[in-house]
Amino acid sequence: AQSVTQPDIHITVSEGASLELRCNYSYGATPYLFWYVQSPGQGLQLLLKYFSGDTLVQGIKGFEAEFKRSQSSFNLRKPSVHWSDAAEYFCAVGEANSGYALNFGKGTSLLVTP
Amino acid sequence: KAGVTQTPRYLIKTRGQQVTLSCSPISGHRSVSWYQQTPGQGLQFLFEYFSETQRNKGNFPGRFSGRQFSNSRSEMNVSTLELGDSALYLCASSLSGVSNQPQHFGDGTRLSIL
Repeated sequence: AQSVTQPDIHITVSEGASLELRCNYSYGATPYLFWYVQSPGQGLQLLLKYFSGDTLVQGIKGFEAEFKRSQSSFNLRKPSVHWSDAAEYFCAVGEANSGYALNFGKGTSLLVTP
Repeated sequence: KAGVTQTPRYLIKTRGQQVTLSCSPISGHRSVSWYQQTPGQGLQFLFEYFSETQRNKGNFPGRFSGRQFSNSRSEMNVSTLELGDSALYLCASSLSGVSNQPQHFGDGTRLSIL
């Protein structure tokens, strides 16, 4: 069955420290991969996406993600976290044969400490 | 360019009632998807409309229905409301509904069932 797993429910990092949020997926075909961020009381904002080509993709707000087919992973990274990055982060997967339904992970809540 | 607009932002209903939520996509976008977000189940796909036709449907009971108008605006209806329908309902639009195009989300409608 198709699934998206974000192993970490909560992550706490110090401001200025590096960040890595994990995402693993289980899909038969080559998936389309997305990372979204959600601030309290708001909708989801797209951070970055991977469809094909270069496996390291750059997104907004200084985020990047690397697609590793052998590990079925699409981890999100940021070299230096800012307090404003505190939010909920969702990994999502789409597939060409599934129409336009995105399958979301459960999310990782990021807390940034001073 | 205006983003995805969802109305109302907040709604309180009682069990057994029915409710209609509205979504206006980004201008020029023809695909509209609906998602339900709850703390327990996370983000779950409800359905997707493209050119006034439902193309995909998630695993929700028939009480959940939707439609799309010729101007791409979409409505979602939930009949015979249950306590478990309390959730944030998110609408997302994309340009042509091709699965490798990013979806842009609105801020959602927070539905509370008493």
